[in-house]
Amino acid sequence: KAGVTQTPRYLIKTRGQQVTLSCSPISGHRSVSWYQQTPGQGLQFLFEYFSETQRNKGNFPGRFSGRQFSNSRSEMNVSTLELGDSALYLCASSLAGQGTSTDTQYFGPGTRLTVL
Amino acid sequence: QKEVEQDPGPLSVPEGAIVSLNCTYSNSAFQYFMWYRQYSRKGPELLMYTYSSGNKEDGRFTAQVDKSSKYISLFIRDSQPSDSATYLCAMSARSGTASKLTFGTGTRLQVTL
Repeated sequence: KAGVTQTPRYLIKTRGQQVTLSCSPISGHRSVSWYQQTPGQGLQFLFEYFSETQRNKGNFPGRFSGRQFSNSRSEMNVSTLELGDSALYLCASSLAGQGTSTDTQYFGPGTRLTVL
Repeated sequence: QKEVEQDPGPLSVPEGAIVSLNCTYSNSAFQYFMWYRQYSRKGPELLMYTYSSGNKEDGRFTAQVDKSSKYISLFIRDSQPSDSATYLCAMSARSGTASKLTFGTGTRLQVTL
């Protein structure tokens, strides 16, 4: 079974630009969560989508948004990039996002975003 | 103060040693506890999952949860160089919001020959 895939793996952008990251979940998984990982803050939850609806949201500004398509693939968008947005963005998928022992999250390799 | 505290290390041990990794937390609503392992340039992979208090063993790995002390641990026996990675503790509150994991910052472990 193929794992979670994320594209692109690396991105370099400049301040003020916007960026779109893509995540393809494991086949059959309907919940997709996004996390930001930085050396200082660690992994922080951005949002979770289930059946094309945002179900949970973390404490990030409105510049961070996402969506999920009917095939469960998800995209996240960051507008008006700031230097502090440089991070590893991780996508995780699970069957239904319930967090039980049989419904845990599987992570992709991440997209490394550098903002200059 | 962060909801989950984890010593960032680095922690260096010789091959064959017993490793103890720990996290403390402040949110008493947490009841699902996980340990993830993250190799360089990879996403985290789930190692251990524990619901509520108690111990769980899987091969060389043992996870312990003490909810009364708000303290969780991961023990690695007979550590190997392949165990060299960053270990992240993660936890969540209830099933409905279980997808919202709160992570520690991770402990970097180096197992030397």
